[in-house]
Amino acid sequence: SQQGEEDPQALSIQEGENATMNCSYKTSINNLQWYRQNSGRGLVHLILIRSNEREKHSGRLRVTLDTSKKSSSLLITASRAADTASYFCATDAGVGDDKIIFGKGTRLHILP
Amino acid sequence: EAGVAQSPRYKIIEKRQSVAFWCNPISGHATLYWYQQILGQGPKLLIQFQNNGVVDDSQLPKDRFSAERLKGVDSTLKIQPAKLEDSAVYLCASSLEGRGGASDIQYFGAGTRLSVL
Repeated sequence: SQQGEEDPQALSIQEGENATMNCSYKTSINNLQWYRQNSGRGLVHLILIRSNEREKHSGRLRVTLDTSKKSSSLLITASRAADTASYFCATDAGVGDDKIIFGKGTRLHILP
Repeated sequence: EAGVAQSPRYKIIEKRQSVAFWCNPISGHATLYWYQQILGQGPKLLIQFQNNGVVDDSQLPKDRFSAERLKGVDSTLKIQPAKLEDSAVYLCASSLEGRGGASDIQYFGAGTRLSVL
């Protein structure tokens, strides 16, 4: 079963521009996380946002959560070549459900 | 602090053969996860251990996949016999507490890339 779904599937931008990717989910959740995966590597945690939070920042990353629309967005400002990676959102399978479900990801490519 | 260790990094086998993957989580992490990641998709949870007990294995194909976590530390995932559709990257992750869902930060190993011919 799929909970989170990222949009767009792929994104190419010029270095220095901002990148925005979105995650929509179907059922109510308590937690949502964003992870990054560089080619051939494991996933790296970026940000955890809880259902009672609307926005969180970490360096050049900004995550928002809109529980009424069941969606989240990840903004990467002033992109760098090293930001080239796949980005995944992960959510609870549902409130009270102990499973975690990852979306299919957004493949971000930063052009020099 | 050492990260999550996985071995081997790559494995090529023929269908119907057996294969085993090994994972050593971060020291002190109670929860260990095994994921299957097919090319172009997100990780799919196969099994979750809390210490040495199974919390969730609802998506583990139990007719061919098995996993164990010895003494609540290391873990092995086995496939017997392998099918072509098992070609994927197998990721191991650990978290400190395992409070369920997406409530805990997970730390991932580099994965094992399995090719079944």
